[in-house]
Amino acid sequence: DTAVSQTPKYLVTQMGNDKSIKCEQNLGHDTMYWYKQDSKKFLKIMFSYNNKELIINETVPNRFSPKSPDKAHLNLHINSLELGDSAVYFCASSPPLQETQYFGPGTRLLVL
Amino acid sequence: DQQVKQNSPSLSVQEGRISILNCDYTNSMFDYFLWYKKYPAEGPTFLISISSIKDKNEDGRFTVFLNKSAKHLSLHIVPSQPGDSAVYFCAASALIGANNLFFGTGTRLTVIP
Repeated sequence: DTAVSQTPKYLVTQMGNDKSIKCEQNLGHDTMYWYKQDSKKFLKIMFSYNNKELIINETVPNRFSPKSPDKAHLNLHINSLELGDSAVYFCASSPPLQETQYFGPGTRLLVL
Repeated sequence: DQQVKQNSPSLSVQEGRISILNCDYTNSMFDYFLWYKKYPAEGPTFLISISSIKDKNEDGRFTVFLNKSAKHLSLHIVPSQPGDSAVYFCAASALIGANNLFFGTGTRLTVIP
C-alpha cells in the first residue's frame, strides 16, 4: 500500500537515449511534483501539476517533459540524455492547500 | 541562488543528548517552514512544520523554533536516539497552497549509541 511509488528505482543508460520515469500516488492528492537531487544533494523542484495541469515549470531543459494522464500519475520523459542528467529524481504529491508533500522513494538515474 | 541554507553538512550527537539542526533563509516572503527526514535509498518524509505566526511547534521529541527577525529556524531532537540518524532537510514556502517548496541541502545527523 505504498503511498507514492516510482518506477524504476534504478536506471542506467547511455548518453543520447530517451527514458521515462513513472510515478503514481494512491493518496487522492490533487498536486504532484518532480524534484531533482543533484550530486551536491540539492533538492530542487522541476515541475508541479495540479489536477493534470502544469502549474510550476522551473528552469529545466525542454528535453524534460512531464505527462499527467490522470490525477494519480505524473510521468517524466527525458529526451537525449546527457551526463549532467545523472541524479536522483523524486516524485511527490500533496493535498489541496497544504504545504506538506509526500515523496516517493526516488529513481537513481546514471547516464554513461 | 539558494534561498534556504543548512550550513552544517553533518552533526554527531551521543544517544540521549539533544540534537540541534539549524537552517537559515533569505526570502522574507517565506511564511511556512517544514523539516523532512531522509533515510538512505528512501524519499524524504515529513517530520514537523511551523507557520510564521508561531515561534515554536512541538511534536513529541521534536521541536522547531522560528526566529523571523534572524530568518533562522532550528530543529531540536530530545532525547536523540540511534534511529534518528538520517539526513534532515529544511524547506520553506512563500505562500500556502503555492505548492513550491525550497529545500536546503540537508544535514546528516549521526546519533552515536
